[in-house]
Amino acid sequence: QVQLQESGPGLVKPSETLSLTCSVSGGSISSYYWSWIRQPPGKGLEWLGYTFYTGSSNYNPSLNSRVTMSVDTSMNQLSLKLSSVTAADTAVYYCAKILQGGASFDIWGQGTMVTVSS
Amino acid sequence: QSALAQPASVSGSPGQSITISCTGTSSDVGSSNLVSWYQQHPGKAPKLMIYEVNKRPSGVSNRFSGSKSGNTASLTISGLQAEDEADYYCCSYAGSTTYVLFGGGTKLTVL
Repeated sequence: QVQLQESGPGLVKPSETLSLTCSVSGGSISSYYWSWIRQPPGKGLEWLGYTFYTGSSNYNPSLNSRVTMSVDTSMNQLSLKLSSVTAADTAVYYCAKILQGGASFDIWGQGTMVTVSS
Repeated sequence: QSALAQPASVSGSPGQSITISCTGTSSDVGSSNLVSWYQQHPGKAPKLMIYEVNKRPSGVSNRFSGSKSGNTASLTISGLQAEDEADYYCCSYAGSTTYVLFGGGTKLTVL
């Protein structure tokens, strides 16, 4: 059974770049598409984008090219980079596996809280 | 594109049935069979409950069912139990650019 674990700094300064990783275990990272999804405190879910090990990616247009996702097959890890962060980027960030067939997320990490503050 | 519309809250007594609606447009819910539902308990990650409108992942109780009519999808929970109290989010494929939209979430209270 695939398991996911996010990690990264819990505090990022405004205008800097948020960087998170997601470790994948129990399955081949090359077999699936992967997404990042975030949830601001007390609010709903927002899809950030998806990526595949080939480098194919698709990002939420609302992020205005601030986001980059990638897959490191040697480390079995996903990465998320979000540049020029503001307080509005404060959220719990989840990585998730996309179910075969698309557009639904069957396995989630436990999430990692990132606060943007000086 | 705007989030899918869900009621902010619903409630029901143990044993009863409730339905949560999720209204989109002809560009997302209305034109896609890739509608899914997630249950989220406080402080926990979301859990997939329904995918492709009405399919249940292995391990999800058959008390949970999904349907769709036009631009509105629905999640029905029958035989309400205390552990069903949680937030529920719908999600729909919304085209190759936007990919998916989530609903704003519905808080289910079991009275």
